[in-house]
Amino acid sequence: TVMTQSPATLSLSPGESATLSCRASQSINNKLAWYQQKPGRAPRLLIYDASTRATGIPARFSGSGSGTEFTLTISSLQPEDFALYYCQQYINWLSFGGGTTVEMK
Amino acid sequence: QLQLQESGPGLVRPSETLSLTCTISGGSISSNNNFWAWVRQSPGKEVEWIGHIYYSGSTFYNSALKSRVTISLDTPKNQFSLKLSSVTAADTAVYFCAAGYSSGWLFHYWGQGTVVSVSS
Repeated sequence: TVMTQSPATLSLSPGESATLSCRASQSINNKLAWYQQKPGRAPRLLIYDASTRATGIPARFSGSGSGTEFTLTISSLQPEDFALYYCQQYINWLSFGGGTTVEMK
Repeated sequence: QLQLQESGPGLVRPSETLSLTCTISGGSISSNNNFWAWVRQSPGKEVEWIGHIYYSGSTFYNSALKSRVTISLDTPKNQFSLKLSSVTAADTAVYFCAAGYSSGWLFHYWGQGTVVSVSS
């Protein structure tokens, strides 16, 4: 299953809302995870089963979608949220999207 | 809290075998609730699942790498390892060990990653 993320880069200011998209080449039901990665660090699990926040993840991170279209929304961006974000499906073996960079405008 | 730490050579010669070890702390490799995985990230930031193993010994590998990959357990040392044979420059990447729960193939825990370069 090919995972396609858009846009590649999102330029926003602190306090704004970010909307990241992830599309699957075939239906993956709700078996989608989102990760955040900061430079020099490992990815960190944010969301699984499309909409369930992982332990310790702030409520400003929310996930939605099912089937082939998914969205990660970050409401009111904090300085620490500027990072690289990946989606990953886990129903048809495993595959990751190419990532979306959320950069500070 | 489960913690993972990769170790191994940072430089491997082309055609040789890349070998890495992941040491687990804060948990047991013999847990039936977890799987133990290797994931890599290319210099271009593409993330690729390599494979994973359960305590039962069952292994699952990325079909693109399957002919060159072996993941194994060292239960007394609470470690698992990766061997990738016949490496080329395309195998240059940051290699992460990771872990998840048997309920789904996603990664709740990650090591810090180790850079492996393939060069003569």
